[in-house]
Amino acid sequence: KQEVTQIPAALSVPEGENLVLNCSFTDSAIYNLQWFRQDPGKGLTSLLLIQSSQREQTSGRLNASLDKSSGRSTLYIAASQPGDSATYLCAVNDGSARQLTFGSGTQLTVLP
Amino acid sequence: DAEITQSPRHKITETGRQVTLACHQTWNHNNMFWYRQDLGHGLRLIHYSYGVQDTNKGEVSDGYSVSRSNTEDLPLTLESAASSQTSVYFCASSRGYEQYFGPGTRLTVT
Repeated sequence: KQEVTQIPAALSVPEGENLVLNCSFTDSAIYNLQWFRQDPGKGLTSLLLIQSSQREQTSGRLNASLDKSSGRSTLYIAASQPGDSATYLCAVNDGSARQLTFGSGTQLTVLP
Repeated sequence: DAEITQSPRHKITETGRQVTLACHQTWNHNNMFWYRQDLGHGLRLIHYSYGVQDTNKGEVSDGYSVSRSNTEDLPLTLESAASSQTSVYFCASSRGYEQYFGPGTRLTVT
């Protein structure tokens, strides 16, 4: 059974800092990996989707990388802002069905 | 703009009552999903559907049912609500593999 882990569970950084969020998964036979953002009391917003054949995806200040063989993905946030404060979730799709297995998330706080 | 909506946003019900949570999407996506989110467990899949008249059980389907009579809607029914079903429920949809989530329904079973 696929298991997805996100470490750390919480992270606090000063504004302007570049930071990396980590996601690891136990079964490397994935179809794709998706990063989400969740604000308190809100739904999930899709940030980036990386196909298994890709090494990275970029959207604005966000860059996600994928190393399937080692079972790892990272989300890099450049020049962090207080508005980036949220919980970031990664989820993997193993391709057998269009279902996602989620990590528990990293709660990010960017201090002004 | 296309969107996915859930109703109600908040619900309090009593143990043993039947409850139905609504999910409606206007993207014309074939795939729809229901998840629950609990502290310490993250998001877990309850049921999913790949099209009209198709429904499948997820990881935590006991006590829940869904039906898909059209493309836009996938209502989630709790047959006899239990306190263990107090949670935040999210509906999602996708055409391919990228899923889009609704705002969630906070359900409290007393």
